[in-house]
Amino acid sequence: AQKVTQAQTEISVVEKEDVTLDCVYETRDTTYYLFWYKQPPSGELVFLIRRNSFDEQNEISGRYSWNFQKSTSSFNFTITASQVVDSAVYFCALSDTGNQFYFGTGTSLTVIP
Amino acid sequence: DTEVTQTPKHLVMGMTNKKSLKCEQHMGHRAMYWYKQKAKKPPELMFVYSYEKLSINESVPSRFSPECPNSSLLNLHLHALQPEDSALYLCASSLLALVGNIQYFGAGTRLSVL
Repeated sequence: AQKVTQAQTEISVVEKEDVTLDCVYETRDTTYYLFWYKQPPSGELVFLIRRNSFDEQNEISGRYSWNFQKSTSSFNFTITASQVVDSAVYFCALSDTGNQFYFGTGTSLTVIP
Repeated sequence: DTEVTQTPKHLVMGMTNKKSLKCEQHMGHRAMYWYKQKAKKPPELMFVYSYEKLSINESVPSRFSPECPNSSLLNLHLHALQPEDSALYLCASSLLALVGNIQYFGAGTRLSVL
């Protein structure tokens, strides 16, 4: 069964628009961690954020913000005032007691100038 | 510094060649990983090393042979590959091979098998 679902395969927005990338996860563990990574065309996966299951406080970092809701098993990522440099594939991932990363299938974001 | 360095960046090899991919980190991490990523797909875990010992092998064919000579270095030896093995090979490291540890990735080696 898919542990992490990113239903949006591709999203296109015009520069300066806000965009939200959805992530829904599934686990039976009470202790787990959620991650977001960015993969630009160069290939490297860049770590963006980690949240643990006991901390539902939302987080903001510059133009990036994350909304973690255990009630809906979601960990969504919003980019405010998108820029062309935000164009990339974004992966949500789950780490639970299996000690492996379960990646979602990724969302390809294109920001049009 | 959260840098993981992979060499080479690109590699083209024939099905009878032997080649090696190299990964290096100097963050003091004791867990290192190899992933394979096909186009438009998420990374797939291949191997995990913890304290220089192989701890996870995700049923990878024997034509892929990992090696961890020391805590900073991870190699992937390739032999008799198939065209379907063409992919981006990513190396990652984390402080420990434990739940929730952040994995830091290199830029990958783009491998083409002819």
